[in-house]
Amino acid sequence: QSVLMQPPSVSAAPGQNVTISCSGGSSSIGNNYVSWYQQLPGTAPKYLISDNNKRPSGIPDRFSGSRSGTSATLGITGLQTGDEAHYYCATWDDSLSDVVFGAGTKLTVL
Amino acid sequence: QVQLQQSGPGLVRPSQTLSLTCAISGDSVSSNSASWSWIRQSPSGGLEWLGRTYYRSKWYHNYAVSVKSRMTVNPDTSRNQFSLQLNSVTPEDTAVYYCARELVGPRTNWFDPWGQGTLVTVSS
Repeated sequence: QSVLMQPPSVSAAPGQNVTISCSGGSSSIGNNYVSWYQQLPGTAPKYLISDNNKRPSGIPDRFSGSRSGTSATLGITGLQTGDEAHYYCATWDDSLSDVVFGAGTKLTVL
Repeated sequence: QVQLQQSGPGLVRPSQTLSLTCAISGDSVSSNSASWSWIRQSPSGGLEWLGRTYYRSKWYHNYAVSVKSRMTVNPDTSRNQFSLQLNSVTPEDTAVYYCARELVGPRTNWFDPWGQGTLVTVSS
């Protein structure tokens, strides 16, 4: 069982907006920054967001991140069929002294 | 542009040692601002960070509690690469293994880029 909890799946139509939640605790998200990764089918994960809300160059501003307390959220606006993927959150857990990942959320663009 | 290229066998016998290598281009394994990690993805899809090596005036190594007693991550400065060795493997170690560069700051870290992944099956 993952330390960070994510919904197994979310879905929305092209053009719509979607959010993916990542819930942790005081020793993880509550005290450390969150990163997000996109994994397209058959490929390695790709870095999307760091420091809760910072996008690297090349990642469209349709992708955004936020954190509140012990939870983080990835937002995607103007969904495209190419956004269909698994999305993972990650952070450091002070209690475990390990990097921890969420179990992942499968995004389906209907 | 940093790229990571993985190599190693895709089949390992139970109780044997899993060995993988990650060759780095565009950065240095001896970088003072990066760490070099191994992460695996189980058949069910979950990601698990396994361990890292990094250089800050000397070499450091950190390992996940779940594999600490069986795992070694070593740098190879002459070839600018790093390796993973996981001893005494069982079928539960079957997974896709990724190497990744880890960038770290105060209370923050992220992995970019990732290697292409190596499916390792533990089976007799």
